[in-house]
Amino acid sequence: EDQVTQSPEALRLQEGESSSLNCSYTVSGLRGLFWYRQDPGKGPEFLFTLYSAGEEKEKERLKATLTKKESFLHITAPKPEDSATYLCAVQIMDTGRRALTFGSGTRLQVQP
Amino acid sequence: DSGVTQTPKHLITATGQRVTLRCSPRSGDLSVYWYQQSLDQGLQFLIQYYNGEERAKGNILERFSAQQFPDLHSELNLSSLELGDSALYFCASSVGGFGEKLFFGSGTQLSVL
Repeated sequence: EDQVTQSPEALRLQEGESSSLNCSYTVSGLRGLFWYRQDPGKGPEFLFTLYSAGEEKEKERLKATLTKKESFLHITAPKPEDSATYLCAVQIMDTGRRALTFGSGTRLQVQP
Repeated sequence: DSGVTQTPKHLITATGQRVTLRCSPRSGDLSVYWYQQSLDQGLQFLIQYYNGEERAKGNILERFSAQQFPDLHSELNLSSLELGDSALYFCASSVGGFGEKLFFGSGTQLSVL
């Protein structure tokens, strides 16, 4: 069974304190790994897609990386507006099961 | 604004009732996905439609059904509601039919009392 596990469940950082969020996965053939950001009361917002081990994507203070077993979302010098829940999701190769499987998320709070 | 519109934003109903949630995808998107998000289960995939036809099914209960109309909007019907059905229901859309980058609506918060 496909599994996506995110850690930590919650993370509190001071403004400017860099850290990383982890997403480990066990799937039968990874087609892509996705990162989304979700603010309270809103739908998830797309951040990145990674397709192969070694791939990296960057956007402002965020950088996502991918290995064969896990993905990291690195947050450099975060600001309070980066506070949100970060979700990772996997898409597998099976064309009959292409819908994204989401992890439970990491709730990030950045304090000024 | 993702371009995906969901109505209503909030819905309060009683056990045993039936409700309909509506979703309009982004202009040009052919796929619509329905997800359920609860505190203990996270974001769970329910069902996907592509250009009017069912494409994939996830953990959708038999009491739930969905359809996509010729104008591509979609409706999720929930019947014989139970307390445990209380959750945030999201609709998402994408251009193609293979679950690539999704654009989510703001959700419908369903409370079953």
